[in-house]
Parts: sequence; C-alpha cells; structure tokens
Amino acid sequence: AQSVTQLGSHVSVSEGALVLLRCNYSSSVPPYLFWYVQYPNQGLQLLLKYTTGATLVKGINGFEAEFKKSETSFHLTKPSAHMSDAAEYFCAVTLYNNNDMRFGAGTRLTVKP
Amino acid sequence: GAVVSQHPSRVICKSGTSVKIECRSLDFQATTMFWYRQFPKQSLMLMATSNEGSKATYEQGVEKDKFLINHASLTLSTLTVTSAHPEDSSFYICSADNRVANTGELFFGEGSRLTVL
Repeated sequence: AQSVTQLGSHVSVSEGALVLLRCNYSSSVPPYLFWYVQYPNQGLQLLLKYTTGATLVKGINGFEAEFKKSETSFHLTKPSAHMSDAAEYFCAVTLYNNNDMRFGAGTRLTVKP
Repeated sequence: GAVVSQHPSRVICKSGTSVKIECRSLDFQATTMFWYRQFPKQSLMLMATSNEGSKATYEQGVEKDKFLINHASLTLSTLTVTSAHPEDSSFYICSADNRVANTGELFFGEGSRLTVL
C-alpha cells in the first residue's frame, strides 16, 4: 500500500525566508503526489500535484515541488514566505490506478514577522 | 472547477442523538466519495469509501453501525453519526473523485465540525 511521511510536524520560518516542507513516499507502482493546505476549521485546498510528465510542478501561491523518484521525495518549497502562508500542509499519495488517497501527518508552518 | 460542498459546517448535538452530514459534488458526478475524520492537530484518517449505488467500504476499526454512509446518487453522499457521544466530536471531511476529468485529484468539502455535548 502507498504511504507518505512528512518530516517535521512543525516548521517555523521568518517572513521572506525560504520555505521547505519535506515529504517522502512509499509506493509499489507509479504514484500520484499532492500537496494540500488547510486553514483552521476549513477543508483542504490543493496547492499542486504531480501525476506524470515534468517532475518540477508549480502550484498556487508561489509554491512548487519536485518529484524525485531516486529519492522517493516530493518536497514543497517557496522562495519567500508570507504571513498568509501560515497553515497546516499535507502531503498525499494515490496510485495511478486508484484513488485511495493517503495523507502524511501534516506539517504546521509558522511564519514569524 | 470541481466543487464539493458539505453541510452543515458546524453542528452541536446532545449525546444520544443522531447527526447527518451531507457531501455534494456541485458540478460533476462522483461515483466515489470518501469520508475522513480529523482530530485536532492531526492528519486526516480515512473512515470509509462511499460508492454510488452500493454499500460503503469501511476502514479497519471504523464501526459501520455507528457511522452510516449512504451514496444514493452521483452527487450526494451522507454520513450519519448514530447515537452520538462526546468521543465522536471531531472534524469530518468528505472528498469526491471526478472520474470524468481523470486528473487523479480528489476534491474536498469544507468540513463539518461536530460537537457532542
């Protein structure tokens, strides 16, 4: 079965600093990978996804992630953090042939002024 | 884009009562919907997979009789928490699969916060 591991339950950065949220996956077949953001008491909003094709994917709000098969990673980055980026971020994986989505434990991003 | 709506967003009920949460796909048909439970500061835990016209598939450890799921149409799935108790208080989120678009993406509802007194 597929799974993801998010390294670091809490990441704190200063406004304007680089954001790096780590995600590693485990999958026996080609995975589809996703990053979602969740604000308090809200559902999940898709930031970006990788299915096939270009391994560097760009998403909303200036975020991007790179699929690295050799490292089984799909880390999320943003060059310059903004206060509005403070939220909970979830990495998720499905398999190309089904939609059983599994989530990582989540990483809470705090942005300091 | 694909929109999934949940209702109610918040519900407070007395212990022993039943609560129904609706999940609707507004602009697409969803043969499959998923129900998740999220405890404070934790990740989403898949409770069950809801298939239109058939019985839901529950994850291990989830009580079928406690969490009744009905997926009677291609745009509506409901989760009923029966005889609710304070330990059932949680944030419940649904998602839907847009097979026609076939993007591999799930679309999530806004979530429903249940508080059982």
